[in-house]
Amino acid sequence: GAGVSQTPSNKVTEKGKYVELRCDPISGHTALYWYRQSLGQGPEFLIYFQGTGAADDSGLPNDRFFAVRPEGSVSTLKIQRTERGDSAVYLCASSPVGVPYYEQYFGPGTRLTVT
Amino acid sequence: AQSVTQLGSHVSVSEGALVLLRCNYSSSVPPYLFWYVQYPNQGLQLLLKYTSAATLVKGINGFEAEFKKSETSFHLTKPSAHMSDAAEYFCAVSDGNNRLAFGKGNQVVVIP
Repeated sequence: GAGVSQTPSNKVTEKGKYVELRCDPISGHTALYWYRQSLGQGPEFLIYFQGTGAADDSGLPNDRFFAVRPEGSVSTLKIQRTERGDSAVYLCASSPVGVPYYEQYFGPGTRLTVT
Repeated sequence: AQSVTQLGSHVSVSEGALVLLRCNYSSSVPPYLFWYVQYPNQGLQLLLKYTSAATLVKGINGFEAEFKKSETSFHLTKPSAHMSDAAEYFCAVSDGNNRLAFGKGNQVVVIP
C-alpha cells in the first residue's frame, strides 16, 4: 500500500520567506509526527498530532514554526520568516495509534534550503 | 529526558564480517528502543524494536539486538555483512511519550 508521502521533495527559499511543507500519512493512521534532521544529526522531534489536535508541540523551536492537521489526515508544517538555520530535512511519520511502542512509518522527507 | 548515544559516525565492515553498532540509552523509566535504517533518498525504515518482552530482539534482514538493562545498552548486530547493508542506522528511544529521541546515526560502509 501507499506509504507516507511528503511534498515537495526539495524546497529552496530565500531568508525571510514563508514556506509550507505537506505530509500525507498512511490512510487510517491517527497519529502523525514531524521531525527535523540537520546535517550529520539524527532526527529531532518537533510535534505530534493525535487526530486533529496537537497533543505535544514541545519540540517546535520557536513561534515561527506552526503545524496543522485540520481534518485528521494531511498535515502542513508552516515556517514563517525563514532563517538559514532552518535548513534541514523535515521528516513526517505516521502511526496507527498514538502509543509509544508502535512503529512510526516515515516519509522520504522534504529538504529545505534557506539561502 | 530520554536520549541515546551512538559512537563512531562512520563504520566500515568487510563483506561477510560481523556488523556491530553500539547504542547506549538514558531514560528515567523503562524504555522502548528502536533501530531504524535509512537508505539514500528513502525514509527511515524500522529494523527492530524492544518493548519489554524478550530481551533479544530479531528484526528484518538478519539483524538482531539485545537489551541489557544493567549496561543501558541496545547494540545492533548482524553476523555477516552484505553489500546491501550499506546505509545509515539510527538508534532511538521512547520513554512513554509519543516522541522518539534519536542518536546521531552510524553510516555503515561495506568493503567488498
